[in-house]
Amino acid sequence: DAGVIQSPRHEVTEMGQEVTLRCKPISGHNSLFWYRQTMMRGLELLIYFNNNVPIDDSGMPEDRFSAKMPNASFSTLKIQPSEPRDSAVYFCASRPQSRSGNTIYFGEGSWLTVV
Amino acid sequence: KNEVEQSPQNLTAQEGEFITINCSYSVGISALHWLQQHPGGGIVSLFMLSSGKKKHGRLIATINIQEKHSSLHITASHPRDSAVYICAVAQGAQKLVFGQGTRLTINP
Repeated sequence: DAGVIQSPRHEVTEMGQEVTLRCKPISGHNSLFWYRQTMMRGLELLIYFNNNVPIDDSGMPEDRFSAKMPNASFSTLKIQPSEPRDSAVYFCASRPQSRSGNTIYFGEGSWLTVV
Repeated sequence: KNEVEQSPQNLTAQEGEFITINCSYSVGISALHWLQQHPGGGIVSLFMLSSGKKKHGRLIATINIQEKHSSLHITASHPRDSAVYICAVAQGAQKLVFGQGTRLTINP
């Protein structure tokens, strides 16, 4: 399996622009997570889906952030409009089954810089 | 106070040394994860444990549920072990709360 695939790997954009990050989870995994990593706050959960349904979006910082999972093999995280403080590494991760006993698999991350 | 505290924050050692990284948490958990993040950013799950001890190669992870404490040990450390090691606790089935990470540097 190719693992969790994220795109783009790197993006530099201007403040106010829309940013869309994409994720393809491992086939057969029914839980998908979006995390953000910054120097100040470390890794934080933004939102997670179970069977394509958003379960907990309490980590989404504000209305500028939205996430969708239209099918089992694709998810997007959108920021509109982007701000410099959104600069971070955004990780997508997936996990088989909805149980705490399963390993989580991370993508390589999308490095976002908003100038 | 963070729910998950790691120590030390930074650790530099010589090749061959025995390494210990500690993780303490203050919340009820269903499992604890140790993750490794190399320069360049990729994150790999090393261990997931809810009791006792697990071993994989030169890496050993232990957890004491009563004391809310876990340790990650590396025996015969090597420069390729240089990375950030992150402790994460699972609350319920899905939510992970992360420590700030321990940056490990192994010098040849």
